[in-house]
Amino acid sequence: KNEVEQSPQNLTAQEGEFITINCSYSVGISALHWLQQHPGGGIVSLFMLSSGKKKHGRLIATINIQEKHSSLHITASHPRDSAVYICAVNSGGGADGLTFGKGTHLIIQP
Amino acid sequence: DGGITQSPKYLFRKEGQNVTLSCEQNLNHDAMYWYRQDPGQGLRLIYYSQIVNDFQKGDIAEGYSVSREKKESFPLTVTSAQKNPTAFYLCASSIIGGNPHEQFFGPGTRLTVL
Repeated sequence: KNEVEQSPQNLTAQEGEFITINCSYSVGISALHWLQQHPGGGIVSLFMLSSGKKKHGRLIATINIQEKHSSLHITASHPRDSAVYICAVNSGGGADGLTFGKGTHLIIQP
Repeated sequence: DGGITQSPKYLFRKEGQNVTLSCEQNLNHDAMYWYRQDPGQGLRLIYYSQIVNDFQKGDIAEGYSVSREKKESFPLTVTSAQKNPTAFYLCASSIIGGNPHEQFFGPGTRLTVL
């Protein structure tokens, strides 16, 4: 069974700072997902990646398959980025569900 | 608009009662999932279904039951056998075929058992 670890668990930063959230997993995967969860509970998919790097606006996600590690970066952080960021992995090739990290609670102060 | 609906958003039940959580999707996705979220823990898979009339247990299926009579619907019943039912429940769906599989999430139902 895959184990997904995220760090840090909690992060408070000032507006404008560069943010990095890390994710590591124990077993080879077919894909890694970065998700965003707001206080109401709804979850939005930010990225799905199996290699390399993806960028969307101020968000960048990278993955190193050999090291079983991924990072989510936020440039020029803003208070509206405050949310829980969750890393999740597909371990199998079929549609048999995701394994999730515990999440990183990010607060960006004005 | 295509998406996943879960109802209700908040649900209260007395201990010992069974309760059914609704999940409907109009994305024409084959696979559907139920996850449970507890404070300080990652989401955990309860049940999933890849095709109508078939479903598989996830990591924490004990005390739960599901059905998949229609492609669009995947209701979850929390039975009285579930020891700690109070939690946030999320439904998700994905296509099958192609790799990897992006999952789309519903808004969730927060269940409180009194």
